[in-house]
Amino acid sequence: GDSVTQMEGPVTLSEEAFLTINCTYTATGYPSLFWYVQYPGEGLQLLLKATKADDKGSNKGFEATYRKETTSFHLEKGSVQVSDSAVYFCALSGNDYKLSFGAGTTVTVRA
Amino acid sequence: ETGVTQSPTHLIKTRGQQVTLRCSSQSGHNTVSWYQQALGQGPQFIFQYYREEENGRGNFPPRFSGLQFPNYSSELNVNALELDDSALYLCASSLALDEKLFFGSGTQLSVL
Repeated sequence: GDSVTQMEGPVTLSEEAFLTINCTYTATGYPSLFWYVQYPGEGLQLLLKATKADDKGSNKGFEATYRKETTSFHLEKGSVQVSDSAVYFCALSGNDYKLSFGAGTTVTVRA
Repeated sequence: ETGVTQSPTHLIKTRGQQVTLRCSSQSGHNTVSWYQQALGQGPQFIFQYYREEENGRGNFPPRFSGLQFPNYSSELNVNALELDDSALYLCASSLALDEKLFFGSGTQLSVL
């Protein structure tokens, strides 16, 4: 079945550092790929998505490119802020529209 | 425009009891999905309702059941609670079967 594997955390960074969270997937067909973010005490929010190979999703300075050849969708941000501290989830959606999530990566940014 | 709201926010039950969790979908959304998020894990798909009909189910036993009402709000019912049912239960709504889900803040269920 469909599955997502993402980099284990926790990740601790200083403000303005570069962030990368690795995500790889296994799926039949051509899934859509997502990054969701969960801030403390809040529900999941869609951060960005890509629906086909070589698409780049971007939002709030975060980017991820759908790489079919490596079945990856790594999340990157060039300069993180304290407000980026959250749990980040990689996810995929196949034809049945259900989301399959990775285990999440906790990111803490220090001032 | 109101977002997805879930009630209650926290709940404590004992093993063997039954529980009902509620979700009001975002205005205009007719699809509701439920997810279980155990501590330190990603959310796991329970089931989805579209126009009051179940439209897909994850790997959960039959004691997990649901309903969607004509106003598209939804309930998740869990019978014969087990300790492993302790988790954050997330509801998400979407416009038809569109992929963009809007999540509520969840109900934290503790089973003692």
